[in-house]
Amino acid sequence: KQEVTQIPAALSVPEGENLVLNCSFTDSAIYNLQWFRQDPGKGLTSLLLIQSSQREQTSGRLNASLDKSSGRSTLYIAASQPGDSATYLCAVKGTGANNLFFGTGTRLTVIP
Amino acid sequence: DGGITQSPKYLFRKEGQNVTLSCEQNLNHDAMYWYRQDPGQGLRLIYYSQIVNDFQKGDIAEGYSVSREKKESFPLTVTSAQKNPTAFYLCASSLQQGSHEQYFGPGTRLTVT
Repeated sequence: KQEVTQIPAALSVPEGENLVLNCSFTDSAIYNLQWFRQDPGKGLTSLLLIQSSQREQTSGRLNASLDKSSGRSTLYIAASQPGDSATYLCAVKGTGANNLFFGTGTRLTVIP
Repeated sequence: DGGITQSPKYLFRKEGQNVTLSCEQNLNHDAMYWYRQDPGQGLRLIYYSQIVNDFQKGDIAEGYSVSREKKESFPLTVTSAQKNPTAFYLCASSLQQGSHEQYFGPGTRLTVT
């Protein structure tokens, strides 16, 4: 069964810093990988979707990469802002699965 | 506005009562999903539906039931058989089952005492 791990569980950075969030998964047979943002008590907001054939996706200050063979993805956030403070979740869709497999998230705090 | 709505935002029930959580989407998506989120754990799939009048069990379906009578609606009933129902419930949809992006609703927090 697919297992998704996100390290670290929590991260604090000063405003303006660039940062990288990590996601690893055990089964490389995936359809896609999705990064989400979740604010406390709220639903998930989709940030980026990377199909298995792609290496990276960019949206504004966010860049997500995918290395399927090593079972890793990173989410790069440039010039962090206090408004980026949230929990970031990654999820993978397996080729034989009907659902997304989620990591437990990284809780990011950007300090003004 | 297109999107997914869930109601209510907060729900309180006594143990032994069934309760139904609402999920509606106007995105014209075929597939819909119910997940459960508990502190310190990743989201886990309860049920999913690929098309109207069809649904399948997910990883933790015991104690839950669903229906899909309309494309727009996928209500989840938490029955008294669910041993630990207090959780945050999230509904999602995607254009189709498969490689499509999933979009999530705002969630319903259920507390059972």
